[in-house]
Formats: sequence, C-alpha cells, structure tokens
Amino acid sequence: GAGVSQSPSNKVTEKGKDVELRCDPISGHTALYWYRQRLGQGLEFLIYFQGNSAPDKSGLPSDRFSAERTGESVSTLTIQRTQQEDSAVYLCASSPGTGSDTQYFGPGTRLTVL
Amino acid sequence: KQEVTQIPAALSVPEGENLVLNCSFTDSAIYNLQWFRQDPGKGLTSLLLIQSSQREQTSGRLNASLDKSSGRSTLYIAASQPGDSATYLCAVRRSNYQLIWGAGTKLIIKP
Repeated sequence: GAGVSQSPSNKVTEKGKDVELRCDPISGHTALYWYRQRLGQGLEFLIYFQGNSAPDKSGLPSDRFSAERTGESVSTLTIQRTQQEDSAVYLCASSPGTGSDTQYFGPGTRLTVL
Repeated sequence: KQEVTQIPAALSVPEGENLVLNCSFTDSAIYNLQWFRQDPGKGLTSLLLIQSSQREQTSGRLNASLDKSSGRSTLYIAASQPGDSATYLCAVRRSNYQLIWGAGTKLIIKP
C-alpha cells in the first residue's frame, strides 16, 4: 500500500518568501507529526495532530510557522517570511494513533532558503 | 531536559565485521527507545523498539539493548553488509508521544 508522501521533494526559495509543504499520511492513520532536521542534527519535533483533538504546537519555533490538517488526511506546513536558518529537511510521519508507537515517515522536503 | 547523544558520529568498517552503535540519554524516565535507519531521500524506517520494561530486542542481524539505569542503548549489527550503509538514529519517548532524537551515526560498510 501507499506510504507517507510529501511534496515537493525539494524547494528553493528566497529569503522573505512564504512556502507551503504538503504531507499525505497513510490512509486511516489518525496521528500525524511534523519534524525538522537540520544538517548533521537529529529531528526536532514541530507539531502533532491526533484525530479531531487540538494539535500540539509546542515545537513550532516561531509564529512564522503554522500547520493545518484536514480531518485525518492531508496536512500542510506553512513557513512565512522564510529565513536562512529555516533551511532544513522537513519530515512528516503518520501513525495509526494513540496506543501505537510506530511512526511511518515520508521522504521529506528539503528546503533551501537563499 | 532529556538529551540524546550518539557516538560515534560516523563509522566506516569493512564488510563482514560485527559492530556496535551507541546511544545515551540523560533522563532514565523513558517510555521506550527506538532505533531508526535513515537513507538519503527515503525518509526513516523503524528498526527496533524497546519498551522501558525490556532489556533487548532482536530482528535478524540486529540486536538492540537497553539499560535504563545507566541511560544507554546499543545497536549491534552482525556480519555487516554494504546495504547496511545508512545513518542510524535513536530516539527516546517520554511519557507523552514526543520523541527526543539523537543526531545519528553515519555508517559506511566498505565492500
């Protein structure tokens, strides 16, 4: 079956522009995570969606970052007024839901801010 | 604050060798620990998950151990193959769903 997909795979933008990253989770997965991975570093938690509950946005680094999820399907991560330090790989993962520890990761979006 | 450290940052060994990757964490109050493999452009794949009550987990040529009291986990890879070349990440889960990640060990297996 289809895994987690993300688009675009690569995005190059100019400083100050807005970008939108998309994640399509595995069908039926109620939990969805966004992570950021800077070069040579581990993953940083950004945001977590679980079903219809209010998302946990505690990992978002600034108010320039926001994310939405439509029901239990696609999610978009938006970065406004991008800065060079936003350059990273943005990874999305989905999980069957509470009680499951297994997260299935997408291939990531590599964002480069010039 | 939980911190996860992986040593070494990079490792290169000849094919066929057995090897050990290390992961340490500062807070022993963890829910579980997971080892992942990361291949360029392909995202992450979960390899092994050890619950806090367990000491080890095995899958094929992989064996992961957990010592909560000392804040350590090891990933043992037996009879390494070039296809094992990847970055290996460990992550600990706290009582909530959040994972705290190490920076990874980049492994290269030379044919």
